[in-house]
Amino acid sequence: AQSVAQPEDQVNVAEGNPLTVKCTYSVSGNPYLFWYVQYPNRGLQFLLKYITGDNLVKGSYGFEAEFNKSQTSFHLKKPSALVSDSALYFCAVIAPGSARQLTFGSGTQLTVLP
Amino acid sequence: GAVVSQHPSWVICKSGTSVKIECRSLDFQATTMFWYRQFPKQSLMLMATSNEGSKATYEQGVEKDKFLINHASLTLSTLTVTSAHPEDSSFYICSAISPGQSTDTQYFGPGTRLTVL
Repeated sequence: AQSVAQPEDQVNVAEGNPLTVKCTYSVSGNPYLFWYVQYPNRGLQFLLKYITGDNLVKGSYGFEAEFNKSQTSFHLKKPSALVSDSALYFCAVIAPGSARQLTFGSGTQLTVLP
Repeated sequence: GAVVSQHPSWVICKSGTSVKIECRSLDFQATTMFWYRQFPKQSLMLMATSNEGSKATYEQGVEKDKFLINHASLTLSTLTVTSAHPEDSSFYICSAISPGQSTDTQYFGPGTRLTVL
């Protein structure tokens, strides 16, 4: 069975500094990997995904993520954090043959300090 | 594009009553919709997968007679919480996949906050 780990419940970063939100996965076969963001009392917004091809994926709002097969990681990054980036971030995976079902990580609360 | 709406956004009901939550894909046809439940400060838990014109597939541990799902059209899926109890209070989120869109991206609704008194 597939699984996703987000080892940090909370990440704090100063505005203007680079940010990284970590994600590792466990799946048989080639995964589809996703990042979503959730603002308070709202549904999830799609940020980016990796299906195949270039390991560096660029997404919405200046976010990017790098697929690293050897380390089974898909960390989310942004060169310069904004206070408005403060939110709950979820990494998710679709395993081959899983009927397109997303398996989510536990989420990481990002707080960008002014 | 790829907008999913939910109605209502929040609902308060008495214990023992039933509540219906609607999930609509506004600008695309969704052959597959998913229903999730989220507890405070926790991740999303998949409840069921809903395919248009067929019975929903429920995850292990989810009572299909309590959480009735109907996907009668390509733009609408409904979740009815029957005989609701306080432990059913939660944030319910739906998502949809369009067959015409790029691979396997789920688009999420804004969620429905259910409070059972």
